[in-house]
Amino acid sequence: LAKTTQPISMDSYEGQEVNITCSHNNIATNDYITWYQQFPSQGPRFIIQGYKTKVTNEVASLFIPADRKSSTLSLPRVSLSDTAVYYCLVVLNQAGTALIFGKGTTLSVSS
Amino acid sequence: DTEVTQTPKHLVMGMTNKKSLKCEQHMGHRAMYWYKQKAKKPPELMFVYSYEKLSINESVPSRFSPECPNSSLLNLHLHALQPEDSALYLCASSQGPSGGATDTQYFGPGTRLTVL
Repeated sequence: LAKTTQPISMDSYEGQEVNITCSHNNIATNDYITWYQQFPSQGPRFIIQGYKTKVTNEVASLFIPADRKSSTLSLPRVSLSDTAVYYCLVVLNQAGTALIFGKGTTLSVSS
Repeated sequence: DTEVTQTPKHLVMGMTNKKSLKCEQHMGHRAMYWYKQKAKKPPELMFVYSYEKLSINESVPSRFSPECPNSSLLNLHLHALQPEDSALYLCASSQGPSGGATDTQYFGPGTRLTVL
């Protein structure tokens, strides 16, 4: 599985857009890029997944350039409740695959 | 219903005790997972069950014994644990082999285990 690298921490203020970049230089053809969010003492929660270009849902957007060696999670207009750890994962295109979590990015949102 | 439930929420046990963690889902998922998470660390995979059969064991010590009695239930039996086994134990489920490329995992809230 491709290893991912993302910033250890980021700080932001309420109402700002936050972009968290993840690099995955060794991503394989059958891999998808997936992001999970985790609040303290809770299980991780799926945010978004993509293969290439751009994916958007009600929570976030995911930008993936053509070479797929990196990706950017974009959180529009963050609030205090977005303070959490965000994990970027490269997931094999195969159902029932285990998730291998990297260190994640701790996002702190202040008022 | 996209909920995975775990009981108990908290568990304190001695090194000679035997206890069990329970996980339940009613989403019809056929893959279930146990992860262990130490403080300020990412979750680490322990076991994967697919169609009620153990498919992955990440070299977990035998003092952890998983069991999948049916497609909705996953147990983790604990015996002779060490203080370093204290952690948050997370259960997750996903559609499994029929889920296709986007087989999202749904996590429970975890059981906070303390071994004295």
